[in-house]
Amino acid sequence: QKEVEQDPGPLSVPEGAIVSLNCTYSNSAFQYFMWYRQYSRKGPELLMYTYSSGNKEDGRFTAQVDKSSKYISLFIRDSQPSDSATYLCAMTFQGAQKLVFGQGTRLTINP
Amino acid sequence: DAGVIQSPRHEVTEMGQEVTLRCKLISGHNSLFWYRQTMMRGLELLIYFNNNVPIDDSGMPEDRFSAKMPNASFSTLKIQPSEPRDSAVYFCATIRDYLYNEQFFGPGTRLTVL
Repeated sequence: QKEVEQDPGPLSVPEGAIVSLNCTYSNSAFQYFMWYRQYSRKGPELLMYTYSSGNKEDGRFTAQVDKSSKYISLFIRDSQPSDSATYLCAMTFQGAQKLVFGQGTRLTINP
Repeated sequence: DAGVIQSPRHEVTEMGQEVTLRCKLISGHNSLFWYRQTMMRGLELLIYFNNNVPIDDSGMPEDRFSAKMPNASFSTLKIQPSEPRDSAVYFCATIRDYLYNEQFFGPGTRLTVL
């Protein structure tokens, strides 16, 4: 079993829909949780960062961490075609530089 | 600000050939990461360096893979001999913000081994 599980999709939704992307993990020692966005033929770039449990909002994006369930989510409101990309969750330990990535979910927003 | 240059951007080679991928860090950063990305396995960390010293190479698939970082801004990843299953996109990354452990990725090298 992988340390971080993420459904690779693909996921296709109409423009304006609310998108929910999720990851589960097995190691309770993870403390820092991130979402990276990767456009086609580009490297991943950091989208959201959260520490421990709770919610964090940034514009149309909300990151949610539930450490008791070992479950993290990324919500995209009012989705736009420009949000079409692969979204990778990542997590790490206190003081560590090494990130553990999920497989990534390929998302398409249809106009 | 962080900057990462990778070369070549595309590489097509035949099985058994030696392949060398290169990564140059534009700005001064202490850490460098090599990743491999495939549809089947996602993004995998191969090796990372701190201050030119390899810290964790547990992700290196086998002895055919080797990586060096001869100075603070340059690294190579070598595959010898290459095999078709090595076909993937190889990314180099550095840390842009140590507070958030934000990793900044280069554009990647798309390797095809025939």
